[in-house]
Amino acid sequence: GESVGLHLPTLSVQEGDNSIINCAYSNSASDYFIWYKQESGKGPQFIIDIRSNMDKRQGQRVTVLLNKTVKHLSLQIAATQPGDSAVYFCAEPDTGRRALTFGSGTRLQVQP
Amino acid sequence: DTGVSQDPRHKITKRGQNVTFRCDPISEHNRLYWYRQTLGQGPEFLTYFQNEAQLEKSRLLSDRFSAERPKGSFSTLEIQRTEQGDSAMYLCASSPPGGIAGSYEQYFGPGTRLTVT
Repeated sequence: GESVGLHLPTLSVQEGDNSIINCAYSNSASDYFIWYKQESGKGPQFIIDIRSNMDKRQGQRVTVLLNKTVKHLSLQIAATQPGDSAVYFCAEPDTGRRALTFGSGTRLQVQP
Repeated sequence: DTGVSQDPRHKITKRGQNVTFRCDPISEHNRLYWYRQTLGQGPEFLTYFQNEAQLEKSRLLSDRFSAERPKGSFSTLEIQRTEQGDSAMYLCASSPPGGIAGSYEQYFGPGTRLTVT
């Protein structure tokens, strides 16, 4: 069935290093993905999205890579800062294009 | 602040009591969603409104749950006869009509954390 999941529950990096958060999906027909950041006590906040007609999309300090062959996407954060500490989710619209289906999240811890 | 707002932010209730949460979406957004999030998990979809019409409900939305959006603006989520398993963060999100340039981004509020004792 359709699912969005993540490889690692917790990622710890040093401040200034690059971070890579991974996500696998199972539906080969999936054509749109979103990355959200959720800080403690707050709702998810949009980071970046990507459509399946793209392999890569860049934002400010973030890059999302999509590998449709192996049904995998990643979020890369350059020069990770303490403010990047949060839980990161990948998500995709359900077949009705209404609800978002979220993975269980990766907690990013930035060490000073 | 013109983002999605939710009230209350925290609610502690005893098992068996009824609770009601409110969500005020971004004003020009006609689509409104409720999600539930438990610790360490991603949000799970509960229900969806387009204007005042409730168009989709998840199987997670048991008979004890009811949601309304009477005037197509704010929405309420009521849980009757609360159970300990209802303890979770209840998130509201909104989105503009039709998506913008193919985006399915949803804008989330801060959530209401419910604790059932």
